Amino acid sequence: NAGVTQTPKFQVLKTGQSMTLQCAQDMNHEYMSWYRQDPGMGLRLIHYSVGAGITDQGEVPNGYNVSRSTTEDFPLRLLSAAPSQTSVYFCASRIHRGDPGELFFGEGSRLTVL
Amino acid sequence: GENVEQHPSTLSVQEGDSAVIKCTYSDSASNYFPWYKQELGKRPQLIIDIRSNVGEKKDQRIAVTLNKTAKHFSLHITETQPEDSAVYFCAASKSNFGNEKLTFGTGTRLTIIP
Repeated sequence: NAGVTQTPKFQVLKTGQSMTLQCAQDMNHEYMSWYRQDPGMGLRLIHYSVGAGITDQGEVPNGYNVSRSTTEDFPLRLLSAAPSQTSVYFCASRIHRGDPGELFFGEGSRLTVL
Repeated sequence: GENVEQHPSTLSVQEGDSAVIKCTYSDSASNYFPWYKQELGKRPQLIIDIRSNVGEKKDQRIAVTLNKTAKHFSLHITETQPEDSAVYFCAASKSNFGNEKLTFGTGTRLTIIP
């Protein structure tokens, strides 16, 4: 198993540009989520999904969109990038939506917005 | 929503000594408390977790204690080694019929001094 795969690993955007961070998992996990990591702020939940066709907002959802058309994929879209979205983004998944067990993280995507 | 506070933000200990990191949570309904370790430039990985029906859990040199009355839990690392140097995150969540949100603390940077 490849686990949780994120692309790209690094990205530089200009303010106002749009982009999509890709996330895929091959473990048949029901639950998938996106976190952002900023210095001194820990990991903050952006959006999450408990299954295909179901998404919900986390702690810091503004400026981001998600969709879950398949069990495997959970892309994160930035519609109009802002410097405040400069961060490291982690996709994470776990087996069951009803069991708060281990989260498996991707390697992270470092985004810089100029 | 849940609020998790973590202390200290940085911690330096001599190799072989013990390290303790403490977290408090706000939601008395929280019932799952994991600890994640993140080495420099790497993804967070689960090292130990505890559920609210248990007061203490141990795995070799690491242990976690939970005080539900005081709403705090702690990570204990004994006989520290250089490879223990990393950022440690505590987190808390509660069962919510599939919509569990894991809330992280702000992290503790642990440095082991040889």
